[in-house]
Amino acid sequence: NAGVTQTPKFQVLKTGQSMTLQCAQDMNHEYMSWYRQDPGMGLRLIHYSVGAGITDQGEVPNGYNVSRSTTEDFPLRLLSAAPSQTSVYFCASSYSRGGEKLFFGSGTQLSVL
Amino acid sequence: GQQLNQSPQSMFIQEGEDVSMNCTSSSIFNTWLWYKQDPGEGPVLLIALYKAGELTSNGRLTAQFGITRKDSFLNISASIPSDVGIYFCAGQLDFGNEKLTFGTGTRLTIIP
Repeated sequence: NAGVTQTPKFQVLKTGQSMTLQCAQDMNHEYMSWYRQDPGMGLRLIHYSVGAGITDQGEVPNGYNVSRSTTEDFPLRLLSAAPSQTSVYFCASSYSRGGEKLFFGSGTQLSVL
Repeated sequence: GQQLNQSPQSMFIQEGEDVSMNCTSSSIFNTWLWYKQDPGEGPVLLIALYKAGELTSNGRLTAQFGITRKDSFLNISASIPSDVGIYFCAGQLDFGNEKLTFGTGTRLTIIP
């Protein structure tokens, strides 16, 4: 069982560049979400989805876009990277629509110069 | 945005010692969860609590849902080296609310 798979593991971007962080899960979970983790801040919710075709904003959505065309995939797009987006990004999924019992990927460490 | 306050921020203990940490909020939560994060990995769910006053165990770990609904506690008995990591609490306002609020974490280090 792969669980939640995130790629890439590490990424360095220049300010203004765009990129997509990939997330895929093989557990047939309806709920998927993206968090960012910054020192001393815990995990903050960026966007989430309760099923294919449905997305909603979390606590810190600015600068990020998401889409959910399939149950398995939930990519996170940075349209114009900024240094403030330097962080570790985690994708998570849950079999519970409430999203409380999360299964996390291993993270993407992103640096924006 | 709302955050949960965890204390202590870090702990340095010897193997075999018991550990206690807590999480407090200014808001009432109806679900409390505890996650552990190993270095370079994503958090893993340890315990979920759904009822005020509830006490739930998972091996050497015991967590409690505070009766005020504004706090939760995690205890680890007889710590071992693999307990090292960052422990996060998380709260959910309403079941099905779909948004978890995470605490700032307690980093546990075991001194040889």
